[in-house]
Amino acid sequence: GDSVTQMEGPVTLSEEAFLTINCTYTATGYPSLFWYVQYPGEGLQLLLKATKADDKGSNKGFEATYRKETTSFHLEKGSVQVSDSAVYFCALSRTSGTYKYIFGTGTRLKVLA
Amino acid sequence: ETGVTQSPTHLIKTRGQQVTLRCSSQSGHNTVSWYQQALGQGPQFIFQYYREEENGRGNFPPRFSGLQFPNYSSELNVNALELDDSALYLCASSLEGGSTDTQYFGPGTRLTVL
Repeated sequence: GDSVTQMEGPVTLSEEAFLTINCTYTATGYPSLFWYVQYPGEGLQLLLKATKADDKGSNKGFEATYRKETTSFHLEKGSVQVSDSAVYFCALSRTSGTYKYIFGTGTRLKVLA
Repeated sequence: ETGVTQSPTHLIKTRGQQVTLRCSSQSGHNTVSWYQQALGQGPQFIFQYYREEENGRGNFPPRFSGLQFPNYSSELNVNALELDDSALYLCASSLEGGSTDTQYFGPGTRLTVL
């Protein structure tokens, strides 16, 4: 069945380091792909999304490209800040089938000053 | 613009009881989805309602049921509670429920089953 796999956390980086959080998916058809973020004490919120192959989503310096050939949607940021410390969730959605939305298990990022 | 709200914030029940959780969608949104999030895990999709009709369901038993009202607020009902039902329950609203839509999440209801 459809699934989303994220790299295990926690990921600990120093401020201004480069960030990559890997996400791969298994799905039939052409799902949309999302990154959601949960900051400490806050609810889940959309970080970025891509709705078709080769699309690049970007927001707040974060980027992810929808790679159908490798079924991946890795999240990257060139220079992380302490304020980026949060839990990041990769997710897919599709309009047919039993499972409409599927989230990964989340990756906790901690950025040290 | 009012965001997604959920009530109650916390709830404690005993095994076998029934519970109703409530969600008020963001203004202008006609779709609501419910999720169960166990500690340290990602949200698991329970079901989605679009214009008061169930529009998709995850791998949850029938004792998980829902309603969406004409004002697009929603309820999640869970019967015959089990210990494993202890989790954070999230609702999320979206504009039309399409696969490309952004979901706007509420803060969640923390359910503890003893």
